[in-house]
Amino acid sequence: DAKTTQPPSMDCAEGRAANLPCNHSTISGNEYVYWYRQIHSQGPQYIIHGLKNNETNEMASLIITEDRKSSTLILPHATLRDTAVYYCIVRGTISSGSARQLTFGSGTQLTVLP
Amino acid sequence: EAGVVQSPRYKIIEKKQPVAFWCNPISGHNTLYWYLQNLGQGPELLIRYENEEAVDDSQLPKDRFSAERLKGVDSTLKIQPAELGDSAVYLCASSLGIGRTTDTQYFGPGTRLTVL
Repeated sequence: DAKTTQPPSMDCAEGRAANLPCNHSTISGNEYVYWYRQIHSQGPQYIIHGLKNNETNEMASLIITEDRKSSTLILPHATLRDTAVYYCIVRGTISSGSARQLTFGSGTQLTVLP
Repeated sequence: EAGVVQSPRYKIIEKKQPVAFWCNPISGHNTLYWYLQNLGQGPELLIRYENEEAVDDSQLPKDRFSAERLKGVDSTLKIQPAELGDSAVYLCASSLGIGRTTDTQYFGPGTRLTVL
């Protein structure tokens, strides 16, 4: 699975959009971009995933660049409860023989400020 | 729908004692994972089950760690004897499993182990 690069930390004002970047320049055509977050003392929480089209769900939006070498997770109206470590993970499909486990990097510590 | 359930949430033991962690995956999920998370780091896979079969246990320290998933549902991870370096959070995750193009994993809250 391709390696990802994320900034170690970011701050965001409460109520504003939080934009978390992720670089995955070595991503291959059958690899998906997954985002998880981990709030202190809790297990990782699935947020969203995508292949090449932008995706949106009730939690966030995922914007993937046309060349697929980077992506941005957007939390449209950040709240204090969104303070967490956010992990960007690239993972192939099961049929491609990609490893089934998730390979977590260091993630981005997002702090939402009041 | 209930998520992945783990117990206990916290465990404090003395070194050389045995300890066991229990996981109940989301109903209908065939694949079960145990991850280890050290302080300040991301989770790392210990073992993966497809139904009751352990299909990837290459990262499990087999001299002291063991796991089982009887009947392909609940799972237990055991450490015997525990060492100081085993202090960490032990996470269980589950996913629908075979047959999926993408297979999203859902995590439990974890068990925080402290070995004194």
